[in-house]
This record gives sequence, structure tokens and C-alpha cells, in this order.
Amino acid sequence: GNSVTQMEGPVTLSEEAFLTINCTYTATGYPSLFWYVQYPGEGLQLLLKATKADDKGSNKGFEATYRKETTSFHLEKGSVQVSDSAVYFCALSKNTGNQFYFGTGTSLTVIP
Amino acid sequence: ETGVTQTPRHLVMGMTNKKSLKCEQHLGHNAMYWYKQSAKKPLELMFVYSLEERVENNSVPSRFSPECPNSSHLFLHLHTLQPEDSALYLCASSQKGGGGYEQYFGPGTRLTVT
Repeated sequence: GNSVTQMEGPVTLSEEAFLTINCTYTATGYPSLFWYVQYPGEGLQLLLKATKADDKGSNKGFEATYRKETTSFHLEKGSVQVSDSAVYFCALSKNTGNQFYFGTGTSLTVIP
Repeated sequence: ETGVTQTPRHLVMGMTNKKSLKCEQHLGHNAMYWYKQSAKKPLELMFVYSLEERVENNSVPSRFSPECPNSSHLFLHLHTLQPEDSALYLCASSQKGGGGYEQYFGPGTRLTVT
């Protein structure tokens, strides 16, 4: 079946530290991959996406590369800020059908 | 208004009440979704409408009843809920179902069942 596994949280980092949140997926065919972010009291917002192998999605200093050989889509940021504190969700979408498959979310807290 | 809006933002209801959640999208999309988000659980897809037809229902209890009168509006009618139904209910829309199109989410309705 289709599924997404992401690292358990919570993650606590100091400001300007390097961030990695691991995400691996299981899917048949060639899914599209996404990272969403959820700030307290809000819905999910699309952070970045990649639709084919070796694509790199990037936004607001965050990056993730679609690695088919390792079925991974790890989220990285070189220098986190307090304002990056949120819950991050990895997700995949098949090119047919209507479902998204979300990971369980990773809570990030950045301390000054 | 832009994006996806949801009303109300907060709702407290008793187990015998009937209420409705409303979602509206201003993005010209033709697929809409209801999700349930509970603490420490994965995001749970409840219903999918594509071109106003319900295409998926993931065995959600009948006390939840969706309605999609047109491609911009989606409702979730609630009746005789249980305390375990307390959660954040998120609405989303996409250009069409699947196909690598990202979903856009509303801010959610925080539901508490007493």
C-alpha cells in the first residue's frame, strides 16, 4: 500500500541550528511528494513539493530532494529561526485517485 | 476572501445536538476534502468530493454527513456525536483529485463534544 513514515518528534533546536526531518515513503509507481507546515491554531500550509525523481523542492530556506533510490524526501534547513516552530507533515499523492497520504507530523520548537 | 475558509472556528456541542460545519474555497478548484485531526494521531481523511460527487468515504460513522452543493462549498453535518469525535476538522481543496496537485487547507474548526 501507500504510506509515509516520518521521524518522531518533538525536535528542539537552538536558533541558527541545522534542521533535518526524515521522511520515507512506500508507494507503487511515481508519486508526488510534499511537505506541509502547521503553525499553532492554523490549518496546514504547503511548504514545498516535488513531482518526480531528483526534483528538489524549496521554499523559505527549506529544501527537500525526491530520492527514488532511497524512497526518501527529507526536509532540511540550514539555519532555523524561532518563527519556524511548527508541526511539519510529509505527504504523498498518487497520480491517480484522490487520496493524499500524510505522515504523523513532527513537532519542531526553536529556542532563542 | 481568498483561499479556503471555514466556519465556525470553534464549536462546543452536546451529544444530542445537531450542527453543521461550513467550508468555502475561492480558488476555482473542483475537488474538496474533509479531514479529522486528533492529538497524536495521523491526519484522517473522512470524505472526498470531486466535481461535486462523493468519490471516497473511508468508513466514517453515519453521525457525520457531508454535503457538497457546488464546487465551492462543502458542509459537514453533525448529529449525536460522541466525546471521541472532539478534534480539529480541516477542509481542503485541490485543482482536481490526485494527479500530484497540492491540497490547500482551511484553518479548521476546533470541535469539542461534551
